[in-house]
Amino acid sequence: GENVEQHPSTLSVQEGDSAVIKCTYSDSASNYFPWYKQELGKRPQLIIDIRSNVGEKKDQRIAVTLNKTAKHFSLHITETQPEDSAVYFCAAPLFMEYGNKLVFGAGTILRVKS
Amino acid sequence: SQTIHQWPATLVQPVGSPLSLECTVEGTSNPNLYWYRQAAGRGLQLLFYSVGIGQISSEVPQNLSASRPQDRQFILSSKKLLLSDSGFYLCAWALPGGRHYGYTFGSGTRLTVV
Repeated sequence: GENVEQHPSTLSVQEGDSAVIKCTYSDSASNYFPWYKQELGKRPQLIIDIRSNVGEKKDQRIAVTLNKTAKHFSLHITETQPEDSAVYFCAAPLFMEYGNKLVFGAGTILRVKS
Repeated sequence: SQTIHQWPATLVQPVGSPLSLECTVEGTSNPNLYWYRQAAGRGLQLLFYSVGIGQISSEVPQNLSASRPQDRQFILSSKKLLLSDSGFYLCAWALPGGRHYGYTFGSGTRLTVV
């Protein structure tokens, strides 16, 4: 089955600096890699995703890179702002006989200090 | 557009009491549906998922159960709550089929068992 490892577990950066969160996965059949942001007391929300046919995707200050050979993908946040403070989860799919599911990493607590 | 509704938002229940949490999705047909639990400060634990009416897959053996009486309705139940059932319960939906799409989470139910 799929195993997703996420690092670091906590990350503190100064406002304006960049933040990088890394995840590794085990199933070479995985083809879709989303990232979720969860603010305190709220639901996780999809912020960016990447499919296995591309190596990088950007959306304003957020980017995700994928290395299929090494089975790892990363979230990059540039010019961090206090509102970026949250828990971030990466995920990869596990395909099963009945449907499929996302396997989530353990999460990274990002703190942006102003 | 698709929307997901989850209720109640908060719940305080005594140990040994029953539980029923409901989730409904609008604007799509035959969605994949999921129940997750999140303990305080922890990651996302998949409890149940369903790919169709009457089909339920259980991830973790426990005193919880799930049902899908209608295409877009997913219910999480317990006959007798334990203290360890406290947590943040999240329902999620995804498009069906082999091409994986990201989840959309409901707003969650914060359950405190006392």
